[in-house]
Amino acid sequence: SAVISQKPSRDICQRGTSLTIQCQVDSQVTMMFWYRQQPGQSLTLIATANQGSEATYESGFVIDKFPISRPNLTFSTLTVSNMSPEDSSIYLCSVVGGGGQPQHFGDGTRLSIL
Amino acid sequence: AQSVTQLGSHVSVSEGALVLLRCNYSSSVPPYLFWYVQYPNQGLQLLLKYTSAATLVKGINGFEAEFKKSETSFHLTKPSAHMSDAAEYFCAVSVTAGNMLTFGGGTRLMVKP
Repeated sequence: SAVISQKPSRDICQRGTSLTIQCQVDSQVTMMFWYRQQPGQSLTLIATANQGSEATYESGFVIDKFPISRPNLTFSTLTVSNMSPEDSSIYLCSVVGGGGQPQHFGDGTRLSIL
Repeated sequence: AQSVTQLGSHVSVSEGALVLLRCNYSSSVPPYLFWYVQYPNQGLQLLLKYTSAATLVKGINGFEAEFKKSETSFHLTKPSAHMSDAAEYFCAVSVTAGNMLTFGGGTRLMVKP
């Protein structure tokens, strides 16, 4: 399966600032997704990152708060904007290689907002 | 729309005992079902997947799951628990193998010596 590198692995940020999380894959993939895992909770899909076009957001998530880029088939970024303590979560990137393969996940970014 | 229910947010077993983690799903189309494991401070690792082939699916680390359409279930089992199995386990469903996943609430497995 693809090797997924997510950066940073963790960060502590100040309220009102923004952080960009990077997801790099070692091979071209067809699909890339971003999930949020709030403390003690399950995973919730934020959006599907579309190559060369705007991401597809799930209900409850908006582009102004979580802008996403996917300039090519191996790289995507998620920005958490104007952060508040409620944004403290683990953010995970996942990818699908194609051909009916399942999703594989990066190690996640553990984000704490003070 | 799909949904997943995992019965029991916490399960505790003794080392060497049977592990049974329950997952029930709801799907308007034939589902693709997955079990993932999350170890502390790590991402999710795929344990096994069901994609409409054999109903009994074998995965990594000695885990297996059986798809039962009549019961809309996909329970995860392992005959003998090991201390290293202590982790969070997530059941997930999608409409295709590579599509977005809907996760259950997760089950934390604790293994007692």
